[in-house]
Amino acid sequence: AQTVTQSQPEMSVQEAETVTLSCTYDTSESDYYLFWYKQPPSRQMILVIRQEAYKQQNATENRFSVNFQKAAKSFSLKISDSQLGDAAMYFCAYRSPSTGANSKLTFGKGITLSVRP
Amino acid sequence: GAGVSQSPRYKVAKRGQDVALRCDPISGHVSLFWYQQALGQGPEFLTYFQNEAQLDKSGLPSDRFFAERPEGSVSTLKIQRTQQEDSAVYLCASSLAAPTEAFFGQGTRLTVV
Repeated sequence: AQTVTQSQPEMSVQEAETVTLSCTYDTSESDYYLFWYKQPPSRQMILVIRQEAYKQQNATENRFSVNFQKAAKSFSLKISDSQLGDAAMYFCAYRSPSTGANSKLTFGKGITLSVRP
Repeated sequence: GAGVSQSPRYKVAKRGQDVALRCDPISGHVSLFWYQQALGQGPEFLTYFQNEAQLDKSGLPSDRFFAERPEGSVSTLKIQRTQQEDSAVYLCASSLAAPTEAFFGQGTRLTVV
């Protein structure tokens, strides 16, 4: 079974600064997908960024980028130019490339990010 | 609809009461997942539907939990004889087909008193 570990329960960043959120995972599969989701107080999970394991290039979405280290099974999220609206819980998640029920997401415990004005 | 809709948003139940949580997926989405999110934790998988077929219910914590999607669209998660440990946020997600991006609803926060 796959596991996702987020060992930092909380982090804080100054507005306009950069912050990195850590995530490690364990799997025996060679191909898979990794995600970072944002969950604001409204509770709705919002996809921030995704990475396909077969792609060597790290994914980037505007101010969000990842550092994907497949051999180390590490998948960190970097948020540049942090904004007050970035404050939320962030979850790292894993998904098998399989179809059907095996495509369920396995989440880490999450990290609470606060942004100081 | 524009997104995944869940109702009610909040539910308070007395211990032993039965509850029903509703999920309206995005129209045309084949796959539907239910997750349970305890306070301060990440969501955990409960069950999966492909159209009306429940293909995986391995995450349901006990036989008090039951889910259905009779016409392949709206899904209901039912919890019988609720216990305090059932208190959590219940999230629903749908996707066009299983490997594609899943869209989440805002969840139902269940509190059992």
